[in-house]
Amino acid sequence: ETGVTQTPRHLVMGMTNKKSLKCEQHLGHNAMYWYKQSAKKPLELMFVYNFKEQTENNSVPSRFSPECPNSSHLFLHLHTLQPEDSALYLCASSQQGRGMGTDTQYFGPGTRLTVL
Amino acid sequence: AQSVAQPEDQVNVAEGNPLTVKCTYSVSGNPYLFWYVQYPNRGLQFLLKYITGDNLVKGSYGFEAEFNKSQTSFHLKKPSALVSDSALYFCAVRDDTGFQKLVFGTGTRLLVSP
Repeated sequence: ETGVTQTPRHLVMGMTNKKSLKCEQHLGHNAMYWYKQSAKKPLELMFVYNFKEQTENNSVPSRFSPECPNSSHLFLHLHTLQPEDSALYLCASSQQGRGMGTDTQYFGPGTRLTVL
Repeated sequence: AQSVAQPEDQVNVAEGNPLTVKCTYSVSGNPYLFWYVQYPNRGLQFLLKYITGDNLVKGSYGFEAEFNKSQTSFHLKKPSALVSDSALYFCAVRDDTGFQKLVFGTGTRLLVSP
């Protein structure tokens, strides 16, 4: 898991707070992802960045705002969240070409978010 | 559209016995199949993948999976379970026409009793 790190590991925030989640990958990959993991539900892909360009936004509410300043760092900015946004947020990275690939995604340990 | 089914929420097995965690999939093109494991308060760890070639894929920690195209299955197996194998296991699939998008199953909890 040291290949992909996430901070903080735990976060408690109120609905009016603004916070950010950080992800850093040390694998030399060019694609990064945000997933949401809620109990009893499949992993939900939120955002994909490839070569720092956002290539997927899976109908995520605007209170979640991603930022990818370079291929090693990915942020998820949080603003006026709802209690149902409480979940484990996972970051992943992979090496991807422009097109099809057989890349494997490697995950960070996640940030456990609780919205009060 | 791609989909993955893990029909068992939980699998119980005694230590030393063989284990199987089931996965079936649906894709429009050729499948790329993955298994991940998640321990408590941890992220997902990659176990193994099938891209092409031999239908029996060997992965980390003694796990293997068998790709069966006619049954559209990719079951995870281990000949002899360990208590430390107890965790949440996820199957995932993407097709060879899509761009990176992995679709995950709902997960199967494996409990290995001493």
